[in-house]
Amino acid sequence: SQQGEEDPQALSIQEGENATMNCSYKTSINNLQWYRQNSGRGLVHLILIRSNEREKHSGRLRVTLDTSKKSSSLLITASRAADTASYFCALYNQGGKLIFGQGTELSVKP
Amino acid sequence: KAGVTQTPRYLIKTRGQQVTLSCSPISGHRSVSWYQQTPGQGLQFLFEYFSETQRNKGNFPGRFSGRQFSNSRSEMNVSTLELGDSALYLCASSQGAGGNQPQHFGDGTRLSIL
Repeated sequence: SQQGEEDPQALSIQEGENATMNCSYKTSINNLQWYRQNSGRGLVHLILIRSNEREKHSGRLRVTLDTSKKSSSLLITASRAADTASYFCALYNQGGKLIFGQGTELSVKP
Repeated sequence: KAGVTQTPRYLIKTRGQQVTLSCSPISGHRSVSWYQQTPGQGLQFLFEYFSETQRNKGNFPGRFSGRQFSNSRSEMNVSTLELGDSALYLCASSQGAGGNQPQHFGDGTRLSIL
């Protein structure tokens, strides 16, 4: 299956702590993307990392990609209550479809 | 720039009926993709349209169909509705085809089948 598998399925932390989510996959990819979804809303794009890149940053977000291990991680530093959401990784293979994982539910408690 | 707009936001139908959902992409975006999201199956790819042509299709029965107009707006149609079609249907647009760039999502249409 091309679908990414995310770990953990749910994560509960206190405000100010860091949150790390992982995504593993089995096929080759052109890029891997991370999205956030607040309850009842659409997805919001966070970061796109291409297969020839190892790390990208955006504000408090850091994404790493290890193509040899077929895995990626999303780190949110100094988390806030507003970061409470579901986070999805999505895999893209040239000419194919963007396939989403099952997501990690992050809860940040004030 | 206005975001991706999906209409209607909520819809209630009964089994056997058909439904049409609409998606207006961000201005200048030529690719529109549709996804079905349910608690059990997660986000599943339905199809992608680029410049009025279906570029990719997911593993859904023929009851699910779509089209794209010359102004890039897209519609998806589900015929002979089943209880299992209850879901959040999400539309996403991007400038180019495929998943080689960020997808911009609308807030979805919540479809409930009674």
